[in-house]
Amino acid sequence: GDSVTQMEGPVTLSEEAFLTINCTYTATGYPSLFWYVQYPGEGLQLLLKATKADDKGSNKGFEATYRKETTSFHLEKGSVQVSDSAVYFCALGTNFGNEKLTFGTGTRLTIIP
Amino acid sequence: GAVVSQHPSRVICKSGTSVKIECRSLDFQATTMFWYRQFPKKSLMLMATSNEGSKATYEQGVEKDKFLINHASLTLSTLTVTSAHPEDSSFYICSASLVGKTQYFGPGTRLLVL
Repeated sequence: GDSVTQMEGPVTLSEEAFLTINCTYTATGYPSLFWYVQYPGEGLQLLLKATKADDKGSNKGFEATYRKETTSFHLEKGSVQVSDSAVYFCALGTNFGNEKLTFGTGTRLTIIP
Repeated sequence: GAVVSQHPSRVICKSGTSVKIECRSLDFQATTMFWYRQFPKKSLMLMATSNEGSKATYEQGVEKDKFLINHASLTLSTLTVTSAHPEDSSFYICSASLVGKTQYFGPGTRLLVL
């Protein structure tokens, strides 16, 4: 079945550091790929997505590229801020009318000033 | 973005009682709602998918008689945990979407069964 393997946390970085959170997937067909973010006390929010190979999703300085050859969708940001502290979830979606999502285990990111 | 609410945010109940959790899409009409369960330090696990006016589709291993889902309107879905036991203690999250579109997630409900 479909699965998502995500870099285990927690991850602690200093402000302005470079961030990479690894994500690889296993899926049949051609899934869409997502990164969701969960800030403390809030629901998951869509951060970015890519729907086909070589697409790059980007938002709020975060980027991830859909790499079919390596089945990866790593999240990157060049300079993190304290406000980026949250839990990040990688997910894949199969579009059979509904976007049924399979999530990774989540990575808790803490940015220290 | 679209807003999805859940009520209650936390609930504590005695073993053997039933608990109802509501999920509402506040500013859009959701044709589809999803219910997830999240274990500590684990991923979200999809429990079921419900479309307004029809029966929910449960994922393998999820007891439909245990977790009753009703999606009576385009803005409201409910999850009822029947005869709850301590092993049902968890974080329950709903999401709402239009068919084939982005899911918008609620903030979650923490259930503790004593």
